[in-house]
Amino acid sequence: SQQGEEDPQALSIQEGENATMNCSYKTSINNLQWYRQNSGRGLVHLILIRSNEREKHSGRLRVTLDTSKKSSSLLITASRAADTASYFCATRTQGGSEKLVFGKGTKLTVNP
Amino acid sequence: SAVISQKPSRDICQRGTSLTIQCQVDSQVTMMFWYRQQPGQSLTLIATANQGSEATYESGFVIDKFPISRPNLTFSTLTVSNMSPEDSSIYLCSALVGQGAGTQYFGPGTRLLVL
Repeated sequence: SQQGEEDPQALSIQEGENATMNCSYKTSINNLQWYRQNSGRGLVHLILIRSNEREKHSGRLRVTLDTSKKSSSLLITASRAADTASYFCATRTQGGSEKLVFGKGTKLTVNP
Repeated sequence: SAVISQKPSRDICQRGTSLTIQCQVDSQVTMMFWYRQQPGQSLTLIATANQGSEATYESGFVIDKFPISRPNLTFSTLTVSNMSPEDSSIYLCSALVGQGAGTQYFGPGTRLLVL
């Protein structure tokens, strides 16, 4: 079964606005990773945050992790039309196997 | 990091046939995985490809349907056997760089349509 659940399922914004996507998960994790997928293509790794980290930045991306609430958020600032894609969170369970379990994803549309 | 390539990038196949997908990583990696992504859905892990031994399959996936090979630390194949239209999906190869807390990279995927 899916470990993570993203919300919203779909998000439509205007260029220049910020986009926030949330991810919740069920078990203790080793790390959480965010990916982007453009229209049925392969996944692009965006950022990895470890269970002992609370926030990470990469360019226009900001990821937070709250292990007490078992949730993470991905913020894209000053969005661009090229950010239009599906975004997935994926978790690696602490003490478990090495496999990565994916959430259902958020489909982001950035309108020019 | 790791750069992963897959062949073919897409294929259209007839029911009852089999297709073998190849995955090549540009560096030696400890673990490789195969995922399936059905239309409009998220990714589901099919199996972990183990080097030198049988793959470890997830619930709902069996070796007879999805035989996997991993002859070395940079290459793996997934075969989709006796295909039906329900097998129409994107199949993605993935590799873990570093143990446990490492980053997992994905190939571009193979888009399969079964008629």
